[in-house]
Amino acid sequence: QKEVEQDPGPLSVPEGAIVSLNCTYSNSAFQYFMWYRQYSRKGPELLMYTYSSGNKEDGRFTAQVDKSSKYISLFIRDSQPSDSATYLCAMMDTNAGKSTFGDGTTLTVKP
Amino acid sequence: ETGVTQTPRHLVMGMTNKKSLKCEQHLGHNAMYWYKQSAKKPLELMFVYNFKEQTENNSVPSRFSPECPNSSHLFLHLHTLQPEDSALYLCASSPGQGAGYEQYFGPGTRLTVT
Repeated sequence: QKEVEQDPGPLSVPEGAIVSLNCTYSNSAFQYFMWYRQYSRKGPELLMYTYSSGNKEDGRFTAQVDKSSKYISLFIRDSQPSDSATYLCAMMDTNAGKSTFGDGTTLTVKP
Repeated sequence: ETGVTQTPRHLVMGMTNKKSLKCEQHLGHNAMYWYKQSAKKPLELMFVYNFKEQTENNSVPSRFSPECPNSSHLFLHLHTLQPEDSALYLCASSPGQGAGYEQYFGPGTRLTVT
């Protein structure tokens, strides 16, 4: 079983839709949770990170962590065509000092 | 280009060739990473260097040989590769190694082994 499972894609939504991207994990040692966005032919860029259960908001993006359920989500409000990319969840075991990534979900927002 | 740069961006090599990938970071960071990204698979951490010292080797075959001459430069030397090594190789850097340090990625080198 993988330590991090990410909802498979691809996901296609109309512009303006609310998008929900989800990951589950099995390792209780994960304490930091991150979402990366990767455009085609580019490296991943960090969108958000959090280390506690609850919600963290940044503009149209909200990261949600539920440690009791070992579940994290990224919500995108008022999605735009420029949000079309692959989204990667990642989690860090602070003791090991390294991140474990999900497979990624490819999102297409159609105008 | 600022941030993290990688060269070459594309590389095609035969199984008997020897080539090197180069990564340079202009951010003053102390930790550098090599990742492998294959289609339909998660990012795989290969190596980590912190203050030029290798701190992580994630059971990578010896046909991949990293080198970190200073905190700004990281190389991945390739020899006798297999077709299954074809992938996007990403370099990243961060201010330090561990929790809370954001990793900045380069654009990657797309490697094809024929």
